[in-house]
Amino acid sequence: DIVMTQSPDSLAVSLGERATINCKSSQSVLSSSNNKNYLAWYQQKPGQPPKLLISWASAREFGVPDRFSGSGSGTDFTLTISSLQAEDVALYYCQQYFSALETFGQGTKVEIK
Amino acid sequence: QITLKESGPTLVTPTQTLTLTCTFSGFSLSTTSRVAVGWIRQPPGKALEWLAVTYWNEEKYYSPSLETRLTITKDTSKNQVTLTMTNMDPVDTATYYCAHRREGYNIWGQGTTVTVSS
Repeated sequence: DIVMTQSPDSLAVSLGERATINCKSSQSVLSSSNNKNYLAWYQQKPGQPPKLLISWASAREFGVPDRFSGSGSGTDFTLTISSLQAEDVALYYCQQYFSALETFGQGTKVEIK
Repeated sequence: QITLKESGPTLVTPTQTLTLTCTFSGFSLSTTSRVAVGWIRQPPGKALEWLAVTYWNEEKYYSPSLETRLTITKDTSKNQVTLTMTNMDPVDTATYYCAHRREGYNIWGQGTTVTVSS
């Protein structure tokens, strides 16, 4: 399995400030054939299913605010919320789909300080 | 518009077999569209756990830790994907989601909560 490890497990950020979540994979999820990173980010609010925010490590889904951005390559990735809003309080997960045996990170809880 | 909905029992007893059905609309699993449907679960207060996926081209994959207990099948005529999990245990208590997969899981069902208890 490719193990996905997120850090931190939780963070508290003031409204309007930057939130940064890291995700590290135990193997590279960068494809040499198409130079794409098979890495997605999800947001999950209480009582709701996860919502796909970003695919291919940095491609925002349609309708996702541009304060959400993804970066990184190979084994190290970051989800950044540039200016935290109250509605961004949620759990965030990374997921690799490089391997047919997909895996999620353990999640990061984002709260307001 | 793509939608998915999970259905199945809310309560199962230990050692029973769980069968969940995902009924979807807005896409087909019988075309060469590189589409798949996966199952993901989430125990109460815990992280997402990927379980299995079935592709349009008949490929199927399972979580290695659960592979011996899982079977995923598709019925393209009914637009349904079924997940069977044998030998249920209280640790399998979770919300089970099915989701449409392209680059990541972009559309999810609302989930169905399954409790394993005697």
